[in-house]
Amino acid sequence: KQEVTQIPAALSVPEGENLVLNCSFTDSAIYNLQWFRQDPGKGLTSLLLIQSSQREQTSGRLNASLDKSSGRSTLYIAASQPGDSATYLCAVDGGGSQGNLIFGKGTKLSVKP
Amino acid sequence: KAGVTQTPRYLIKTRGQQVTLSCSPISGHRSVSWYQQTPGQGLQFLFEYFSETQRNKGNFPGRFSGRQFSNSRSEMNVSTLELGDSALYLCASSLGRAGMGYTFGSGTRLTVV
Repeated sequence: KQEVTQIPAALSVPEGENLVLNCSFTDSAIYNLQWFRQDPGKGLTSLLLIQSSQREQTSGRLNASLDKSSGRSTLYIAASQPGDSATYLCAVDGGGSQGNLIFGKGTKLSVKP
Repeated sequence: KAGVTQTPRYLIKTRGQQVTLSCSPISGHRSVSWYQQTPGQGLQFLFEYFSETQRNKGNFPGRFSGRQFSNSRSEMNVSTLELGDSALYLCASSLGRAGMGYTFGSGTRLTVV
């Protein structure tokens, strides 16, 4: 059974810091891994989608890496800003019986001005 | 390009009642998936519809059902509501091919009193 774990559960940093959010999964048979952002009470905004054949994806200040063999992904946020404060969720798409996307519990990020 | 539209945004229902939620996917997307998000359980997969057929189903009781119309719009129904059904219900739209990624709507916040 696929399980997705995100560490840390919460993180508070001063503005301007570079930071890394971690995601691990137990079954390497995935199609892709997707990082989402969720603001309080809102839906999910897709940040980056990494196919299983890719090692990383970049969008602006965000960079996500994928190491399928070790079951790990990291989301790197450069020069953090207060507007980055949100919950970040990673999800793996195994296309299997557990459903399309298996989510971690998320990392709640707070960036202080 | 319009995003994923979920209606209504908020609902308050009484125990024992039933409720219907609606999701209109991105134009051209034939797959709609539904997820339940609660503080304790996180995001859990309910079911997926593709071309009017349920293609995948999560581990929820039969009180939770759905359907998809020929225009790809989907509805989710919950009968005999329980207090524990209070949650944010999210739908996700995709092309329906493995590994293509998902776009989420803003969700419907259901409160059962």
